[in-house]
Amino acid sequence: GAGVSQTPSNKVTEKGKYVELRCDPISGHTALYWYRQSLGQGPEFLIYFQGTGAADDSGLPNDRFFAVRPEGSVSTLKIQRTERGDSAVYLCASSFSGPWETQYFGPGTRLLVL
Amino acid sequence: KNEVEQSPQNLTAQEGEFITINCSYSVGISALHWLQQHPGGGIVSLFMLSSGKKKHGRLIATINIQEKHSSLHITASHPRDSAVYICAVILGGTSYGKLTFGQGTILTVHP
Repeated sequence: GAGVSQTPSNKVTEKGKYVELRCDPISGHTALYWYRQSLGQGPEFLIYFQGTGAADDSGLPNDRFFAVRPEGSVSTLKIQRTERGDSAVYLCASSFSGPWETQYFGPGTRLLVL
Repeated sequence: KNEVEQSPQNLTAQEGEFITINCSYSVGISALHWLQQHPGGGIVSLFMLSSGKKKHGRLIATINIQEKHSSLHITASHPRDSAVYICAVILGGTSYGKLTFGQGTILTVHP
């Protein structure tokens, strides 16, 4: 079956622009996670959705970052007024709910802010 | 100091060698994950464990809760094992799969 997909795979934008990154989780997975991975580092947690609601957004670095999951499936991570420091790979993962479930990761979106 | 520390950061081996990657953490956890990331590729979950030992093929993962330490072993290493191996934990008391990651270990296996 289909895995987690993310679009676009690469995004180049200019400082100050707005970007949207999309995640299509595995069908039936109620839990969805966004992580960010800077070059040479391990990923960092951004936000967790259980169904349609953001149950934990403690990892969002500031109010320029926002994410939605209106129908409990596809999620969009939105970044306003992008800065060069936002350049990273943005990873999405999905799973059935609960801490013991295997997370399935998407291939990531590589964001470069010039 | 990071809550999850891995060692070594870089590891080079010859094909056939036994490999060990270590992970130490400084907080109480519910579970620990070992993940694999190939260059340009996505992340794949290898193991999730909360106690003892798990084995899958040539991979073995162990955890010592009292010492807050886990190891990932690869027996009879092969060039296709070359990847970044990442340790991640779910902090104790967390009721969902929010992962806190180590910085990763870059493994290169030469033929």
